[in-house]
Amino acid sequence: AQSVTQPDIHITVSEGASLELRCNYSYGATPYLFWYVQSPGQGLQLLLKYFSGDTLVQGIKGFEAEFKRSQSSFNLRKPSVHWSDAAEYFCAVGGSGGGADGLTFGKGTHLIIQP
Amino acid sequence: ETGVTQSPTHLIKTRGQQVTLRCSSQSGHNTVSWYQQALGQGPQFIFQYYREEENGRGNFPPRFSGLQFPNYSSELNVNALELDDSALYLCASSPPPLAGVGETQYFGPGTRLLVL
Repeated sequence: AQSVTQPDIHITVSEGASLELRCNYSYGATPYLFWYVQSPGQGLQLLLKYFSGDTLVQGIKGFEAEFKRSQSSFNLRKPSVHWSDAAEYFCAVGGSGGGADGLTFGKGTHLIIQP
Repeated sequence: ETGVTQSPTHLIKTRGQQVTLRCSSQSGHNTVSWYQQALGQGPQFIFQYYREEENGRGNFPPRFSGLQFPNYSSELNVNALELDDSALYLCASSPPPLAGVGETQYFGPGTRLLVL
C-alpha cells in the first residue's frame, strides 16, 4: 500500500530564511509526487508535481522540490520565505493507474513564519 | 477559466441525517474525486468518478455514495451521518489523461460539515 510520511508536524522559520520540508513516500511502482499548500479554511493549491524526467522540479511562489528515488524522498525547498508562506503543506503520492486509487497524502507540516 | 467550485461552504447536520454536497469541475475536466479531511489530518480519498461511473474508491463505507452528471459536475451523498463524519470535504477535478503523464488534481475550497 502506498503511504506518505511528513516527519515534521510544525516548522518555524524566520522571514527571509531558507526552508526545507521533508517528505518520504512508499509506493510499489513509479510514483507521481505532488506538493500542495492549504491556507486556513481553504482548499488545496498545487505548488508543484513530479511525473518523470528532471528530478528537480520548479513550482509556483518560488518553491522547488527534488525527487530522490534512492531515498524515497521528495523534499520541498524555498531559498527565502515570506510571511505569506505561513500555511499547511501537504505532500502526496499518486500512481499511473489513472488516479482511480486517488492521491495518498501525508499528515501535513504546519509552517510558522517568525518576523 | 473557472476553477473548481463547491457548495455549500458550511453545513450543520444532526446524527442520523443525510447530506448532499455539490461540486462543479474546472472547465475541460472530466474526472472528479472526493476527499475527506478531518481536523489536523491530510485528505483521505473517498472515491473518483469518470464518465458518470465510479472508477475507484477508498476505504469508506457504502453510506458514502456519489453521482457524476453529463456536465461533469458531481455530488457526494452521505447517509446516516455519524459524529466522526464532521470534516472538510474536498472535491478535485482532473483533465482527460494523457499517455505517460500522471493525473493532476485541482481542488475546490471545500465544504465544512459539522455533525451534532
